[in-house]
Amino acid sequence: AQSVTQLGSHVSVSEGALVLLRCNYSSSVPPYLFWYVQYPNQGLQLLLKYTTGATLVKGINGFEAEFKKSETSFHLTKPSAHMSDAAEYFCAVSALNTNAGKSTFGDGTTLTVKP
Amino acid sequence: DVKVTQSSRYLVKRTGEKVFLECVQDMDHENMFWYRQDPGLGLRLIYFSYDVKMKEKGDIPEGYSVSREKKERFSLILESASTNQTSMYLCASSHGGGANYGYTFGSGTRLTVV
Repeated sequence: AQSVTQLGSHVSVSEGALVLLRCNYSSSVPPYLFWYVQYPNQGLQLLLKYTTGATLVKGINGFEAEFKKSETSFHLTKPSAHMSDAAEYFCAVSALNTNAGKSTFGDGTTLTVKP
Repeated sequence: DVKVTQSSRYLVKRTGEKVFLECVQDMDHENMFWYRQDPGLGLRLIYFSYDVKMKEKGDIPEGYSVSREKKERFSLILESASTNQTSMYLCASSHGGGANYGYTFGSGTRLTVV
């Protein structure tokens, strides 16, 4: 079984500041990890994913995340926040043995960007 | 551009009505999912399907059923709508080749039961 914990349901940063959204996972087998973004009144959009290989993965809109097995973490970062980054962000975990590739999602983190 | 299309963005139904939420994908994906999203509770899996006519219960199947008669279409049915089913409903699909593909989501249906 897999689970995901997102630390902090709300994060607020100033425009131009570093964005750091935290995600810790639990998995009994090597995980596949995902970050999704949801803008108001829309569905979720895949930002980036880690499956195998390089532990630092880059996604759309300048976001990146690093898989750290020793810390069971997959934190999402962006060097400089833009107003357009304001959204809700979800971390998700899946694994090779998961039925139908089913993912388990965290509770989400709402990112606010202040001018 | 690949798409998952949910038939309604907003829906208002009365208590006790039978409600159908439709989802269609054009990516030839094997897997399809229905989630509900509520503030503070994240995404909770209702049902999923990994092939035509195949379905499995998710974490919160009570009060819901599903139908998948064609590969591209996955319907969520609220047998007798209740106010506690007021929520945002999200449909998603994924490639059957493995869990590493991630999901493509529809835009969601915001259902209000009055």
